[in-house]
Amino acid sequence: GENVEQHPSTLSVQEGDSAVIKCTYSDSASNYFPWYKQELGKRPQLIIDIRSNVGEKKDQRIAVTLNKTAKHFSLHITETQPEDSAVYFCAASRNNAGNMLTFGGGTRLMVKP
Amino acid sequence: GAVVSQHPSWVICKSGTSVKIECRSLDFQATTMFWYRQFPKQSLMLMATSNEGSKATYEQGVEKDKFLINHASLTLSTLTVTSAHPEDSSFYICSAGGNEKLFFGSGTQLSVL
Repeated sequence: GENVEQHPSTLSVQEGDSAVIKCTYSDSASNYFPWYKQELGKRPQLIIDIRSNVGEKKDQRIAVTLNKTAKHFSLHITETQPEDSAVYFCAASRNNAGNMLTFGGGTRLMVKP
Repeated sequence: GAVVSQHPSWVICKSGTSVKIECRSLDFQATTMFWYRQFPKQSLMLMATSNEGSKATYEQGVEKDKFLINHASLTLSTLTVTSAHPEDSSFYICSAGGNEKLFFGSGTQLSVL
């Protein structure tokens, strides 16, 4: 089955700096890669996703890049703010949709004011 | 985005009792829903896939007789933790797909005394 590895497990940045979280996956058939943000005790919220037919997607301060050859994808947050502090999960799915996701281990992002 | 409602948000029960958790898709029909378990500071682990009108599909290592899943309609799936024990204490989250994306319920924090 699919295996998703996520790094780093914790990340501390100064407000205004950029944050990058990286994930690798094992199943070359995976073609949908969402990112979720989870605040303590709350539900994961989809913040951005990318499908295998594109290499990059951007939404305001958030961007995701995908390298299918290397089987890795990354989340980039620019101009970080304290409210970006949360746990971020990457995930992968092979059916081009959000079903049957395999999650990475999560990254706890702390943005210091 | 689509709305997935989960109840209760938290429950405390005595060891040996059973607890039922409901997951509802409020503005779309979901033939498939997913149940996850999340321990503190860890990732979401898929427990089972709930299929409307048929038996759930359980992940390896998940006891189907302990975690009963019923998906009787296109908008409701229930997870019953039977004969709960302290080691079952965890955060349980459901999810369902809408417009090809996956949306999560608000989660249920179960504490078994």
